[in-house]
Amino acid sequence: GESVGLHLPTLSVQEGDNSIINCAYSNSASDYFIWYKQESGKGPQFIIDIRSNMDKRQGQRVTVLLNKTVKHLSLQIAATQPGDSAVYFCAEKEEAGTALIFGKGTTLSVSS
Amino acid sequence: EAGVVQSPRYKIIEKKQPVAFWCNPISGHNTLYWYLQNLGQGPELLIRYENEEAVDDSQLPKDRFSAERLKGVDSTLKIQPAELGDSAVYLCASSRQGRNSPLHFGNGTRLTVT
Repeated sequence: GESVGLHLPTLSVQEGDNSIINCAYSNSASDYFIWYKQESGKGPQFIIDIRSNMDKRQGQRVTVLLNKTVKHLSLQIAATQPGDSAVYFCAEKEEAGTALIFGKGTTLSVSS
Repeated sequence: EAGVVQSPRYKIIEKKQPVAFWCNPISGHNTLYWYLQNLGQGPELLIRYENEEAVDDSQLPKDRFSAERLKGVDSTLKIQPAELGDSAVYLCASSRQGRNSPLHFGNGTRLTVT
């Protein structure tokens, strides 16, 4: 499947491929991370979250991996579908009582 | 459960005019957020409420922006007077209280200042 080593603003894949979207977060004290999907004209939609005491979490067709050593987060989408086309944002939170900070988005385009 | 509801969806005003946005959070969510999203960027926090108390408004431009959350449920965000640079999408989100609760967003109000 297609993957992105460092953050790139766009990713184009074929339907059925696996997609990997990467995110480098900034704060080593962050302990909670979320991936959001945002379609045109809509607000960000929660996909999956992970706490810092985990390094992997799976959902339906999605997997989030967390590497705290290099402050890197990735979202893997299995069997990517045209409906997955959207902008994907990672977000981090330091602790309770602080705001969710969003990273740069990646636009995923899926062609059939 | 019903999602976060925002209105209006779109607003076009002339500069120096006032504008207000309204948000109804998910029932039971004590924490409410207003975020600003410029084109091609991620959302940026303006203000966060815990019930009716604004606990983080450090990023809110207080000379022209104000917000309130009376009774700890619905919230309004106001800009007076609006400037051209305020054109953006204003997103409202809510979450349950707690250390690691995901934010749920509304579809936003797209503001255009001419």
